[in-house]
Amino acid sequence: AQSVTQPDIHITVSEGASLELRCNYSYGATPYLFWYVQSPGQGLQLLLKYFSGDTLVQGIKGFEAEFKRSQSSFNLRKPSVHWSDAAEYFCAVGANTGTASKLTFGTGTRLQVTL
Amino acid sequence: EAEVAQSPRYKITEKSQAVAFWCDPISGHATLYWYRQILGQGPELLVQFQDESVVDDSQLPKDRFSAERLKGVDSTLKIQPAELGDSAMYLCASSTGAGARTDTQYFGPGTRLTVL
Repeated sequence: AQSVTQPDIHITVSEGASLELRCNYSYGATPYLFWYVQSPGQGLQLLLKYFSGDTLVQGIKGFEAEFKRSQSSFNLRKPSVHWSDAAEYFCAVGANTGTASKLTFGTGTRLQVTL
Repeated sequence: EAEVAQSPRYKITEKSQAVAFWCDPISGHATLYWYRQILGQGPELLVQFQDESVVDDSQLPKDRFSAERLKGVDSTLKIQPAELGDSAMYLCASSTGAGARTDTQYFGPGTRLTVL
């Protein structure tokens, strides 16, 4: 069975500083990987996804993530954080169920941005 | 931009009462998912539909939870009777179901359930 580990429960960064959120996955085949962001009381918004090809993927809001098969990681990065990026971030791995992808989520990393 | 719709956004109920949540997926999306998200945790899949058929309900507590998608479009998730431990965010998501290699789930705003 697949699993996702997000080692950092809570991260605080200053506005304008760089950000890296860690994600490690466990899956026996080629993984489909996702990052979602959730603002308080809201649903999940897709930031970016990796299915195959280039291991560095670009997403919305200036985020990017790099897939490293050797490390089973899919870390999320942003070069300069804005106060509006404060939210909870979830990494997920998708398992092939035939016609769709079944997602398993990590426990999330809460990002706090100080001004 | 098309979105997944959910209602109500908030629901407060007393234990032993029945509650129901509604979800309207993005038009044309064949696959619909219901997730439960307990505070401080990631979402966990309750049930997955492909058109009107259930393809995965292994994590659905079937003694009290039920889900249907009668015409393969919108869906209803019901809890009867509600228990204190059911307090959570209930999220609906949809995807095209056109193939796992490109399938992406899009989420609605969720229903926050509080059981008193």
